[in-house]
Amino acid sequence: DAGVTQSPTHLIKTRGQQVTLRCSPKSGHDTVSWYQQALGQGPQFIFQYYEEEERQRGNFPDRFSGHQFPNYSSELNVNALLLGDSALYLCASSLGSPSWGYTFGSGTRLTVV
Amino acid sequence: AQTVTQSQPEMSVQEAETVTLSCTYDTSESDYYLFWYKQPPSRQMILVIRQEAYKQQNATENRFSVNFQKAAKSFSLKISDSQLGDAAMYFCAYPHTGANSKLTFGKGITLSVRP
Repeated sequence: DAGVTQSPTHLIKTRGQQVTLRCSPKSGHDTVSWYQQALGQGPQFIFQYYEEEERQRGNFPDRFSGHQFPNYSSELNVNALLLGDSALYLCASSLGSPSWGYTFGSGTRLTVV
Repeated sequence: AQTVTQSQPEMSVQEAETVTLSCTYDTSESDYYLFWYKQPPSRQMILVIRQEAYKQQNATENRFSVNFQKAAKSFSLKISDSQLGDAAMYFCAYPHTGANSKLTFGKGITLSVRP
């Protein structure tokens, strides 16, 4: 049973560019959340998708957008990249109540130069 | 708003010894869960242990146990018989419930294990 799969593993982009990160949730999971983790910090919630709609959003600008597809996979898009967007981006999936915790992927390391 | 605080940035433990990682939180809810996640160099967050607030008994998973003090809003993780593979970042996390089901994490603790 595959867990959460994220691609790519690493990515280097230039300031001002746009980037798309991808996530395939664990089999059977219908909810996908995205988190940004700066070096040495805890993950910060970006947004969550359920039934192909953004259900809730953290304190991130509109440059961060996402999408969920009918197969529950998801994309995170970041426009007009800033140096401060350099971080590990984690995808987490769950089914229904999060009381049993989310299943996380290994993340995408984004470096903006 | 729910907050999670981990005030110890780093800790070190001798192999086979016991270490306790501290976490405090704030919430106005009466029924909730709390998690400890482990993040090794592979970067994947792994759920170590979960505690249900309405249960007075502290959760235990093999060498991992918690000391849950609801009134004090304290949720510490005890690792017994520490192993080299326990070296990682550990995060305390609060799962919001209902439609707002995000996780709020603490800043994390880097645990090193000395052989």
